[in-house]
Amino acid sequence: NAGVTQTPKFQVLKTGQSMTLQCAQDMNHEYMSWYRQDPGMGLRLIHYSVGAGITDQGEVPNGYNVSRSTTEDFPLRLLSAAPSQTSVYFCASSSRGSQPQHFGDGTRLSIL
Amino acid sequence: GDSVTQMEGPVTLSEEAFLTINCTYTATGYPSLFWYVQYPGEGLQLLLKATKADDKGSNKGFEATYRKETTSFHLEKGSVQVSDSAVYFCALSDDGSGNTGKLIFGQGTTLQVKP
Repeated sequence: NAGVTQTPKFQVLKTGQSMTLQCAQDMNHEYMSWYRQDPGMGLRLIHYSVGAGITDQGEVPNGYNVSRSTTEDFPLRLLSAAPSQTSVYFCASSSRGSQPQHFGDGTRLSIL
Repeated sequence: GDSVTQMEGPVTLSEEAFLTINCTYTATGYPSLFWYVQYPGEGLQLLLKATKADDKGSNKGFEATYRKETTSFHLEKGSVQVSDSAVYFCALSDDGSGNTGKLIFGQGTTLQVKP
């Protein structure tokens, strides 16, 4: 039972580099989301999707892009990494909007 | 907009002590409320939930009651164990205003239980 799988678990980037954080779920969930976790600030929503082909911005979308071409995958792209994007990133999914979300184990990202 | 406020931590307790972590919320609709727990180095796991006023969520000895009149969802446990040491997050979903599945989190409360 894989649930929500995030890769990589750790990544170090230099300022200005781009990269994609991968997220995949095998539960056929319609809803998927990306959050970032920073000390003392809880988790903040970056982008979310209510189904394949549909995405929308959350609270802190600047500097990030997403797409949802399949139900299973929801990658998060950093276009030009900045030190302010150093954080732990979590992907989550749920079957409906009112259902609890299942979280991946996170990607710890450092931008130098 | 909607928001969640948790009591600040860290909270340090001795084993078998009573635990309360306060959580209050602001919402325009009728949100569902959740407590999530994060153990060191792991992702978040759902601890309990409540979907309407006066509902009581419970799991692993933890309880929380959805109080609409006080807009609160305080987490309680009668006797904590060392294994309960973790970060606890209160959250609400906006399923009352669009069913988008978005979660709004409090800042998290770190609990440390000493033997």
